[in-house]
Amino acid sequence: QVQLVESGGGVVQPGGSLRLSCAASGFTLSNYGMHWVRQAPGKGLEWVSFIRYDESDKNYVDSVKGRFTISRDNSKNTLYLQMNSLRAEDTAVYYCAKDKYRRVGLMDVWGKGTTVAVSS
Amino acid sequence: DIQMTQSPSSLSASVGDRVTITCQASQDITNYLTWYQQKPGKGPRLLIYDASSLETGVPSRFSGSGSGTDFTFTISSLQPEDIATYYCQQYDSFPLTFGGGTKVEI
Repeated sequence: QVQLVESGGGVVQPGGSLRLSCAASGFTLSNYGMHWVRQAPGKGLEWVSFIRYDESDKNYVDSVKGRFTISRDNSKNTLYLQMNSLRAEDTAVYYCAKDKYRRVGLMDVWGKGTTVAVSS
Repeated sequence: DIQMTQSPSSLSASVGDRVTITCQASQDITNYLTWYQQKPGKGPRLLIYDASSLETGVPSRFSGSGSGTDFTFTISSLQPEDIATYYCQQYDSFPLTFGGGTKVEI
């Protein structure tokens, strides 16, 4: 059964850092592009970042460029999002999602999310 | 960036009704469009991809159509379990962008 489980969320002060993890099971992570998508409280979905299956390409939404870094450890079947210089507007539920095989941007499986709250 | 305009933002319908949601892209995205269903407290579920292809395991009452800039999502006969928020999303180019969502109520 294909599954994604996010962890690492929590409460952090403005300017602080967090590292989110996404544990993949039921498929081989190294064969798939992966994404992070977030949802602020009561709001819609916002795509945050993408890493290609072979790590040859990474993309970010403008609002997180220079602050967030996406990475993966295929040996651990785990995706990461390092978040630095956090702001109040980064408060959201963060989901990881996998691409349909070789279909960049077509996200076919999502996790249940992990909550990040940036507050003093 | 490609803007996705989804309407309506909410709707109320009865069980058995036909429900239609529209999504308009700010530029031509060919057919690189998905529709997702999201229930409270859960991650989104892929329903439709490539504008009109039904994801495996998704009931046939869900359908999608359109190409270029104008797209439509339809539930042919609304069921109680379809109560959710629905989002369109383009994957023609980065940054990936979503419509604002449509909350469907009974």
